Amino acid sequence: GAGVSQSPSNKVTEKGKDVELRCDPISGHTALYWYRQSLGQGLEFLIYFQGNSAPDKSGLPSDRFSAERTGGSVSTLTIQRTQQEDSAVYLCASSLAIRGIHGLFFGSGTQLSVL
Amino acid sequence: SQQGEEDPQALSIQEGENATMNCSYKTSINNLQWYRQNSGRGLVHLILIRSNEREKHSGRLRVTLDTSKKSSSLLITASRAADTASYFCATDPYGNNRLAFGKGNQVVVIP
Repeated sequence: GAGVSQSPSNKVTEKGKDVELRCDPISGHTALYWYRQSLGQGLEFLIYFQGNSAPDKSGLPSDRFSAERTGGSVSTLTIQRTQQEDSAVYLCASSLAIRGIHGLFFGSGTQLSVL
Repeated sequence: SQQGEEDPQALSIQEGENATMNCSYKTSINNLQWYRQNSGRGLVHLILIRSNEREKHSGRLRVTLDTSKKSSSLLITASRAADTASYFCATDPYGNNRLAFGKGNQVVVIP
């Protein structure tokens, strides 16, 4: 596609429910990233996929968070047993993985509200 | 942890004026990037400056980098109402876009 696509754009859920957020990166971009943005924490790195390498999960805040990337393209971020502090905008980005040359292309994000 | 810290946090200027924002960071970097965000949603990449570069231009944007002081500045010349947005700096220690973002600068350009 022309840009990074995320769905849904908004998600309201009840505390304790699981949610799945989807990201479709720009075609040909081998690197995919998840960040989240909240009022209290600013923009935080969550996880990073690069080609077939093991993902860098060092930013995931707890074991309730997981992500996968199937076929080197679409990625899903899953949050289990959601808590109110998970409320944030979840941003996906992709890039050409050429070291230190290209920046990130971001999607419009998923606004997650946990009631 | 957040590495970039922009200063000032909020800036209000008249259309046609220049806007300058600063960013400081704490660790070594491969590159530093600036992003713009409108309406609290997707970020748009503006410019990337590598650690061995001192200045870079893109249209009305000018970015400087001083690695000895661990600081960068973003200058927007001849500002327009459409430049109203939040501007973030982000450091990339390893060149893999695993970025640490600053808290952002809110810029308001008054027509």
